[in-house]
Amino acid sequence: QVQLQQSGAELAKPGSSVKISCKASGYTFTSYYISWIKQTTGQGLEYIGYINTGSGGTNYNEKFKGKATLTVDKSSSTAFMQLSSLTPDDSAVYYCARGSGYDWGQGVMVTVSS
Amino acid sequence: DIQMTQSPSLLSASVGDRVTINCKASQNINKYLNWYQQKLGEAPKLLIYNTNNLQTGIPSRFSGSGSGTDYTLTISSLQPEDFGTYFCFQHNSWPWTFGGGTKLELK
Repeated sequence: QVQLQQSGAELAKPGSSVKISCKASGYTFTSYYISWIKQTTGQGLEYIGYINTGSGGTNYNEKFKGKATLTVDKSSSTAFMQLSSLTPDDSAVYYCARGSGYDWGQGVMVTVSS
Repeated sequence: DIQMTQSPSLLSASVGDRVTINCKASQNINKYLNWYQQKLGEAPKLLIYNTNNLQTGIPSRFSGSGSGTDYTLTISSLQPEDFGTYFCFQHNSWPWTFGGGTKLELK
């Protein structure tokens, strides 16, 4: 069955960066792009962008350009999202998803605090 | 950005009820509309994709309809496991956007 296994929770200081992983299994990795979604209590669900797992091409929501960087390692069927220059507003649960949301990872809670 | 307005934001219902949740887009989204269910502490789960296509493994009591800017999720006979929060999501126009959610609670 399709599984997207994300890395563990992160506690980071303001101004630092974190890199979250999303390891896919149960399907042909390069047949679907990987989406990334942010969820907060206040802002709800926000679509960050996606990466073409075959070409590595990316498409970002303008709001997250400069904040999120999406990469992929085809050899390990793993997608990554790096979040940089962290502020408390980046505290959220971050999900990866297959395609436009067919299957989701379990989510990673990122907490930004000094 | 396309705004997705869900209604109601809170819905109280009983087991066996027929329930409808609405999603209105600020522009035509050409039926590129998904519905998700989320339970507390879990990731969203896809129920319906592209307006009216039931995801594999989802019970047939869930159905979707709509076109243009107006879309509906219907649960024909509410079951105890159906309580949670429901989101719509448009993937027609960039950036893709979610509705604000409808919390379905037990009356």
